Amino acid sequence: EDQVTQSPEALRLQEGESSSLNCSYTVSGLRGLFWYRQDPGKGPEFLFTLYSAGEEKEKERLKATLTKKESFLHITAPKPEDSATYLCAVQAANAGKSTFGDGTTLTVKP
Amino acid sequence: EAGVTQSPTHLIKTRGQQATLRCSPISGHTSVYWYQQALGLGLQFLLWYDEGEERNRGNFPPRFSGRQFPNYSSELNVNALELEDSALYLCASSLFSANTGELFFGEGSRLTVL
Repeated sequence: EDQVTQSPEALRLQEGESSSLNCSYTVSGLRGLFWYRQDPGKGPEFLFTLYSAGEEKEKERLKATLTKKESFLHITAPKPEDSATYLCAVQAANAGKSTFGDGTTLTVKP
Repeated sequence: EAGVTQSPTHLIKTRGQQATLRCSPISGHTSVYWYQQALGLGLQFLLWYDEGEERNRGNFPPRFSGRQFPNYSSELNVNALELEDSALYLCASSLFSANTGELFFGEGSRLTVL
């Protein structure tokens, strides 16, 4: 069974203080690893897809990387508006469903 | 282009009643997914529909059911409601044939069971 573990559960940063979120996964044949952002009371918003080890994707202050066992979401010089829960999900090859981790709740203080 | 729309936004029911939640996918998307997100917990996969057929089902009892209509919209039915069914129910759509896998979520329907 596919499994996704995210750490830490919660992360509090000062504005400008860079850090990383971790997503460890086990899956039978990775089709894709996905990062989403979820604001309170809202549906998740798609951020990145990573397909193979060594791949990297960037968007503004966020950079996602992938190895064979884990993915990192690096946040550079975060701003208060980056505060949200970040979700990691994996999808196995030939599988329609994505398996989600429990998320990391990021709080950025001004 | 309109995103995924869900209705109702909020729904309050009592134990034993039935709830029906509705979802309209992004135009052109044929796959619809349902996820349950209980307060403070992660997303738990419920159901996946593609081209009108149920393709996969999560570890939920049979009182959770649904269907997909010819226009690709979908509804989720929850029978014999229990207190622990209180959660945010999220619908997502994708173009499965595109083989990209990313999901586009609606804002969710919050179900409260009293």
